[in-house]
Amino acid sequence: AQSVTQLDSQVPVFEEAPVELRCNYSSSVSVYLFWYVQYPNQGLQLLLKYLSGSTLVKGINGFEAEFNKSQTSFHLRKPSVHISDTAEYFCAVSDQSRTYDKVIFGPGTSLSVIP
Amino acid sequence: GAVVSQHPSRVICKSGTSVKIECRSLDFQATTMFWYRQFPKKSLMLMATSNEGSKATYEQGVEKDKFLINHASLTLSTLTVTSAHPEDSSFYICSARDRGKGYTFGSGTRLTVV
Repeated sequence: AQSVTQLDSQVPVFEEAPVELRCNYSSSVSVYLFWYVQYPNQGLQLLLKYLSGSTLVKGINGFEAEFNKSQTSFHLRKPSVHISDTAEYFCAVSDQSRTYDKVIFGPGTSLSVIP
Repeated sequence: GAVVSQHPSRVICKSGTSVKIECRSLDFQATTMFWYRQFPKKSLMLMATSNEGSKATYEQGVEKDKFLINHASLTLSTLTVTSAHPEDSSFYICSARDRGKGYTFGSGTRLTVV
């Protein structure tokens, strides 16, 4: 079974500053990795995903993440945040060996961008 | 891109009644859909995996008779909350695996049982 840890439940950051949201996972099999963003009272929007290949993945809205297999991490980064980035961010994992495997979510990190 | 439509977005019902939530994949076929529940300021908890043409697979601790799932076609899965009670009030979100090996999520349904 897979599990996801997001060590920071809340991350405040000033506007235009860089940010890193941490994600670590646990799995006995190879996995797909995802980052989703959720704005208040809305569904989830995919920011980026790692399926295979390059360990540096670029997503929408200027976000990127790096897959580190040895550290079982998939940290999300953005060099300069905007007020509109204030939202809840979820790291997620699914079993790569199963075509339609369920997605397991981490507890989420609340990003607050301070003007 | 892949789109999943979830309806209704908000629903208020009386305690003891049943509520049906629909999840449709608009531009792709989804043999498998997933239903999640999200409590306030909490993460998404997987409730069940919905399989087209067969019974849903429920996660441990989820009441099958309370949360009825039907996946009658390749584009539609429904979640019916039967005999709803205030403790069933929550945000319910569906998702489907799309062609790009990603998971597309619906916009969610806010259920309030009064």
